[in-house]
Amino acid sequence: LAKTTQPISMDSYEGQEVNITCSHNNIATNDYITWYQQFPSQGPRFIIQGYKTKVTNEVASLFIPADRKSSTLSLPRVSLSDTAVYYCLVGDGYSTLTFGKGTMLLVSP
Amino acid sequence: ETGVTQTPRHLVMGMTNKKSLKCEQHLGHNAMYWYKQSAKKPLELMFVYSLEERVENNSVPSRFSPECPNSSHLFLHLHTLQPEDSALYLCASSQKRGQGADTEAFFGQGTRLTVV
Repeated sequence: LAKTTQPISMDSYEGQEVNITCSHNNIATNDYITWYQQFPSQGPRFIIQGYKTKVTNEVASLFIPADRKSSTLSLPRVSLSDTAVYYCLVGDGYSTLTFGKGTMLLVSP
Repeated sequence: ETGVTQTPRHLVMGMTNKKSLKCEQHLGHNAMYWYKQSAKKPLELMFVYSLEERVENNSVPSRFSPECPNSSHLFLHLHTLQPEDSALYLCASSQKRGQGADTEAFFGQGTRLTVV
């Protein structure tokens, strides 16, 4: 299981773009990169998943460099409601769905 | 609404009680999970079921007993719990097990359990 490292916390203001980077130096060939968002007292919610290059959906973008040793979740123009914990997961179809400590994003007015 | 329903949403039980948590999904998923989240702690994976077979059991005390009677339902039977077992218990399901392609997990709203 690839080990991931992400910042414990980040601060931002409404309307700004937020980029959260996750390091996964020992990512394996078959591993995918998945990001989840969790609000207090709720279960995590899937945001985006990618394998290489760039993936974009209506919520976020995921940038993955060619060596795949890191990935960056980009949230455009955040609002107060984006305050949450963001988790980066790396694994393949046999990996345990394990969550780390995540990044606590605080968005201020 | 994620398609994963947990009941009850809140539960208070004494240490000698026996209770059960229920999770239901009609998403056609083949994998189901139980997680525990204590205050200000990361999610702890407790059990994983794949095609109704328990495939992971992460050293969970025997006072927690899971049951998966069919692919749509998952239970967590509780007995003789301790106050430190008070936490948010989350159920999740996914089409396939693991973290590969198409393994997006859907979580329920959780059961807030208080052991007194």
